[in-house]
Amino acid sequence: NAGVTQTPKFRVLKTGQSMTLLCAQDMNHEYMYWYRQDPGMGLRLIHYSVGEGTTAKGEVPDGYNVSRLKKQNFLLGLESAAPSQTSVYFCASSELGYEQFFGPGTRLTVL
Amino acid sequence: AQSVAQPEDQVNVAEGNPLTVKCTYSVSGNPYLFWYVQYPNRGLQFLLKYITGDNLVKGSYGFEAEFNKSQTSFHLKKPSALVSDSALYFCAVSLDRGSTLGRLYFGRGTQLTVWP
Repeated sequence: NAGVTQTPKFRVLKTGQSMTLLCAQDMNHEYMYWYRQDPGMGLRLIHYSVGEGTTAKGEVPDGYNVSRLKKQNFLLGLESAAPSQTSVYFCASSELGYEQFFGPGTRLTVL
Repeated sequence: AQSVAQPEDQVNVAEGNPLTVKCTYSVSGNPYLFWYVQYPNRGLQFLLKYITGDNLVKGSYGFEAEFNKSQTSFHLKKPSALVSDSALYFCAVSLDRGSTLGRLYFGRGTQLTVWP
């Protein structure tokens, strides 16, 4: 039982490049979330999903898109990366929308 | 709007002494409260939660937290700190089921350092 996994663990992009972060969970959870963590800012919600085929905007959605084509996967896309998107990205999942289980994170640097 | 405040960026305590990490919240409904811990270069790990019932909740690694509705607080405590407790601690709040659908609102985190 792997829990929540994230791919890749590290990535360096140039401004304007695109990439997709993959989150996978094997707990059959309905709810999935993408956060970004910046020093002194805590975790801020980017987008979330309450079930397969559904997504919703969180606190800081601009510059990001998401898709939930399969229940176990939640993809976060950056279409045109900017230095302000340098951050650590965490995916989480939960049952019934409460206690969330987090992945190990993806450290993204945009030059 | 929902919000969480962790008034202390850092807490330092000697090993063996009791520790407290403070958290206050503001919500427009019944709060569900959580504490998470983050070790360096790791994801967040769930420690404990308050949903309803007894105001004192016990969690992992000997931690406990007390829900105080009148003071809108949910402070994290441990009777005897260990060096291995050194980490970044996050308080989070959610509302009961409804439009927010379990979204968590996090505080900015408190760095706990336990000195040997």
